[in-house]
Amino acid sequence: EPEVTQTPSHQVTQMGQEVILRCVPISNHLYFYWYRQILGQKVEFLVSFYNNEISEKSEIFDDQFSVERPDGSNFTLKIRSTKLEDSAMYFCASRLADTQYFGPGTRLTVL
Amino acid sequence: AQRVTQPEKLLSVFKGAPVELKCNYSYSGSPELFWYVQYSRQRLQLLLRHISRESIKGFTADLNKGETSFHLKKPFAQEEDSAMYYCALNGGATNKLIFGTGTLLAVQP
Repeated sequence: EPEVTQTPSHQVTQMGQEVILRCVPISNHLYFYWYRQILGQKVEFLVSFYNNEISEKSEIFDDQFSVERPDGSNFTLKIRSTKLEDSAMYFCASRLADTQYFGPGTRLTVL
Repeated sequence: AQRVTQPEKLLSVFKGAPVELKCNYSYSGSPELFWYVQYSRQRLQLLLRHISRESIKGFTADLNKGETSFHLKKPFAQEEDSAMYYCALNGGATNKLIFGTGTLLAVQP
C-alpha cells in the first residue's frame, strides 16, 4: 500500500539556520498539508497546498515558513531562520477524498 | 471557534474491559469528525470517520450533535489497542484537521 514518506527522520540545527523538510506524498493525491506537534502538545495545522499554491495557512505559518512542490513528487517545508520554539515533530499529509494520510514525521531539534 | 477537546490524557483499563475515549467538539457548521490512532513508533493513521458509520477493530463512534460529542467505544479492550488516540475535526474548505490533545489508552493484561 502506498505511503507518505518524509526525510530526514531527525534534523538537528542551530538557531538561525535554514532547514528544509521533505515529503513525498502519495502519487495520485492532490491536496497536501503540513502539521506540527510540539512535545506534549496537540497536533497543529500549519498549511494546506493545492494546485501549486497555498490554500490556507495558520497563524503559526509566518514569513519564516514556505512550502514548495518543486517537481511532481516532492513537497517541502522550509524554515528560513529557525528559532528554539520551532523544535517539534513535523508531519506531512496528503489527501484523497476525505481521508488524510500522514507521513512518519520529522523531528526537528533547534539548539 | 473550532475546537476539539479530549479531557483524558491517559485511560488505563484491563484487557476485556469496555473502553470509552471521550471527544467533544465546537464547530459552527455541520461537523465532520475522525478518530486517528498512533501506535508506538508508528505514524498517525485513520481509525474511523463518522460519515461511514463503520466499525474498525471493534471500535465505533457515534456523532451526537446535541451533546457535540464523538466518543470512541469498544466493548472489550485488547492489549494491542494500547496507543495514542486523537479525535479530529474537519476544519472547513481546505479540509485541514483540528486535533484534540489525544488520549493515551493503556490496556493492562
